[in-house]
Order: sequence, then structure tokens, then C-alpha cells
Amino acid sequence: KAGVTQTPRYLIKTRGQQVTLSCSPISGHRSVSWYQQTPGQGLQFLFEYFSETQRNKGNFPGRFSGRQFSNSRSEMNVSTLELGDSALYLCASLPGSGANVLTFGAGSRLTVL
Amino acid sequence: GENVEQHPSTLSVQEGDSAVIKCTYSDSASNYFPWYKQELGKRPQLIIDIRSNVGEKKDQRIAVTLNKTAKHFSLHITETQPEDSAVYFCAAAGGATNKLIFGTGTLLAVQP
Repeated sequence: KAGVTQTPRYLIKTRGQQVTLSCSPISGHRSVSWYQQTPGQGLQFLFEYFSETQRNKGNFPGRFSGRQFSNSRSEMNVSTLELGDSALYLCASLPGSGANVLTFGAGSRLTVL
Repeated sequence: GENVEQHPSTLSVQEGDSAVIKCTYSDSASNYFPWYKQELGKRPQLIIDIRSNVGEKKDQRIAVTLNKTAKHFSLHITETQPEDSAVYFCAAAGGATNKLIFGTGTLLAVQP
């Protein structure tokens, strides 16, 4: 089985721009979660999607948004980028609701200049 | 709010020694406790997990214990090897959600 695929792996943006990150979960998995990893804040939950519906949302400003498509692929968007948004964004795939066992992708490393 | 505290933040051991990392969670509804290992520049990978209906689980050199009353859970690595060197994260999740609350991580260095 292919693992969790995240694109792009690396990207550089400037303040005020927006960015869209993509995640393709493991085949057959219907749930996708997103996490932000920074040296200062560690791993923080962004949101979780299941069957195209957002099931849970972390404590991030409205500039952070996401969606899930009918094929379970997910995207997250960050608008009006700030320097503090520089981070590794990790997507995790789960078999379904309530399964808990997350498999992470390699992440998208965003640098905001 | 939900919180997971993890200690120590760094741990250095000699090869062959044991390593113990401890976590405490705040949400009494938590019922799933995974441990992830993250090597430098790589993704977090699940190494072991435990659910609230079990007090201990072991997988070769790795074991996890859970004390629900005290809201503590711990990772034990025996006979450590240099390849065990990494950052280890504990996490907790509860109820119908898959939202993981992570600890702040422990940098384990195994000296050969």
C-alpha cells in the first residue's frame, strides 16, 4: 500500500501570501488530520476530516482552513501568511472514525520570509 | 483545557541501559495513548500504543504502562541501542475524536 503522500514537500512564501498544501491518505482511509510542528510549540492539532466533513478543529486562527474531497484527499490553506506560520505541516491518515491510529506523511515544510 | 506534560525533555543513556519517559494527561476522557518516534528530518512514526482498558503493553524492547487513576503513562525502552536515538512524543486522545494532544517531546541520545 502506498503511504500518506503530501505535496509539496518544501516551499518558500513571503508574508501576506497564501499557500495550499495537499494530502493523499492511504488507500481506503477515510479520515485525515492535519498537525503543525514547530520547535517552539511542538505538534499541534489543526483539524480532522472524515467523509468530507470537518469533525474537529484546533485552536488556530481563521486563516487556517481545510477541506476534504470525495476521494478522501485533503487540502489545507493558510491565507495572509505570517512569519510564525513557518513550520512542518503534517498530514495523518486513519482508517475511519474512532480508529485513533494515525499514520503520518512526510510533511510539507513551509518557510515564510 | 486538554494538556499532556512530558518529562524529561532530554535524556542521555549509555548503550544497553534502560530509558524511561513519563507523561501526564489532564483530560479524564482520554482513552488512547500512542507513542511516536521521530528521527531527525523524518516523520513521526508510531512505535507503540495503549488503550485505557489495558494497564501495560510490551513489544520486544519497548513497553508502555498506564495508570488511569493518576493519569500517568510511561514509555520504557530496555537494552537501548544507538538507533534508538530520536525524539519521542507521547500523546493522548479521547472519546469519538481522533484529535491527538501531544507532549512536548523527549530527545533521547544513546551513547555507544
